[in-house]
Amino acid sequence: SSELTQDPAVSVALGQTVRITCQGDSLTRYYASWYQQKPGQAPVLVTYGKNNRPSGIPDRFSGSSSGDTASLTITGAQAEDEADYYCNSRDSSDNHRVVFGGGTKVTVL
Amino acid sequence: EVQLVESGGGLVQPGGSLRLSCTVSGFTFSTHSLTWIRQTPGKGLEWVTSINSGSTSIDYADSVKGRFTISRDNAKKSVFLQMNSLRVEDTAIYYCARRSAFGVAQSYYFDYWGQGTLVAVSS
Repeated sequence: SSELTQDPAVSVALGQTVRITCQGDSLTRYYASWYQQKPGQAPVLVTYGKNNRPSGIPDRFSGSSSGDTASLTITGAQAEDEADYYCNSRDSSDNHRVVFGGGTKVTVL
Repeated sequence: EVQLVESGGGLVQPGGSLRLSCTVSGFTFSTHSLTWIRQTPGKGLEWVTSINSGSTSIDYADSVKGRFTISRDNAKKSVFLQMNSLRVEDTAIYYCARRSAFGVAQSYYFDYWGQGTLVAVSS
């Protein structure tokens, strides 16, 4: 089955830009989606597909992909963006399984 | 407003069973795939199982295959997770989520989530 690799933690100064990456073979075939999770809350979808945001997600969040790596960029990070971020994609095998990355803790300084 | 509400979690001994339910409102339940995803306290997310709209396509993670069974009742707008032969390592918050797909390749994503129900397996 597939695996997705994320850096465990990154930090960003308030108002600056941070990029979180997710690497895995399945990403050469499928788009990643990204989720934000704050302590004690359920995950929230922030981007999916090529670079789509659900209603209510600020446009400072953007997704991109190149080869086997997907990225989530937060442009102009705000204090409320401090959270754990997870990527996921469909398994690279021809089935309906799904795989998640290990998560990245984003700290806004 | 879309809502997914999980119930049925609790404390159970190793080897025991538990049945989780997820009741949905705010969208056409019968046309969407549903998924259970779990999260060990303080750890990451793990996909557990998914079921498509007609219950004709069901998949399980290797870690639960043969022990867990997903099912749905479209009339009741509910999805269920029957968990048997529970192990300590099954302890987690279990989330119910709606699965959607994007593009020709059908990349999956989870656009709505419940608040989760805690399952604790301990003697």
